Amino acid sequence: DIQMTQSPSSLSASVGDRVSITCRASEEISSYVNWYQQGPGKAPRLLIYAATTLQGGVPSRFSGSGSGTEFTLTINSLQPEDFATYYCQQGYSNIITFGQGTRLDIK
Amino acid sequence: EVQLVESGGGLVQPGGSLKLSCATSGFTFIHYVMTWVRQPPGKGLEWVATINSAGDFMDYAASMKGRFTISRDNAKNTVHLQMDSLRDADTALYFCARGQPQFAQFESWGQGTLVTVSS
Repeated sequence: DIQMTQSPSSLSASVGDRVSITCRASEEISSYVNWYQQGPGKAPRLLIYAATTLQGGVPSRFSGSGSGTEFTLTINSLQPEDFATYYCQQGYSNIITFGQGTRLDIK
Repeated sequence: EVQLVESGGGLVQPGGSLKLSCATSGFTFIHYVMTWVRQPPGKGLEWVATINSAGDFMDYAASMKGRFTISRDNAKNTVHLQMDSLRDADTALYFCARGQPQFAQFESWGQGTLVTVSS
């Protein structure tokens, strides 16, 4: 199975900050990476698909980059509602895998 | 409005069975891939199974293959997950999600149904 390794596992930031989360795949997966946000007690929400494409209705402060094995989710100008857990997911293989998650807390 | 509503969760003993359902509305069900994803308490997301739009092709995570069966009823806009030989490690919140085949992105999710496996 393709392993997806996120870093960091957690980070603290302030409203207005810019943060980046990295996801590394264990093998080449082209642009088959999606990013999700999950607030406490909520279902996941799709933010970015195909590594760089913003899902409809998602604010433009969210962006994705990367291809091959290394991918990044960047959030510009953090808002209070952005403090949540973020997951990457690969769709390259029929056997789908998620990263372990990155918890973003308020500093 | 797209809606996915899971049901069927509950407490079951190890070795037992449970069937989850996900009723959908607000979109043309037959056009979409459907997936189950689970989340053990306090842990991350784990993909369980996916079924294609026609219902004739399924994929499963290794630890669930042979024990879980995903199916869909395109006449009732519903997807199911039959879970047999349940283990303590299957305790989780089970989400159904609507997917797109191109990049396997899961664009709409239900709120989940909790399965607890315990004696």
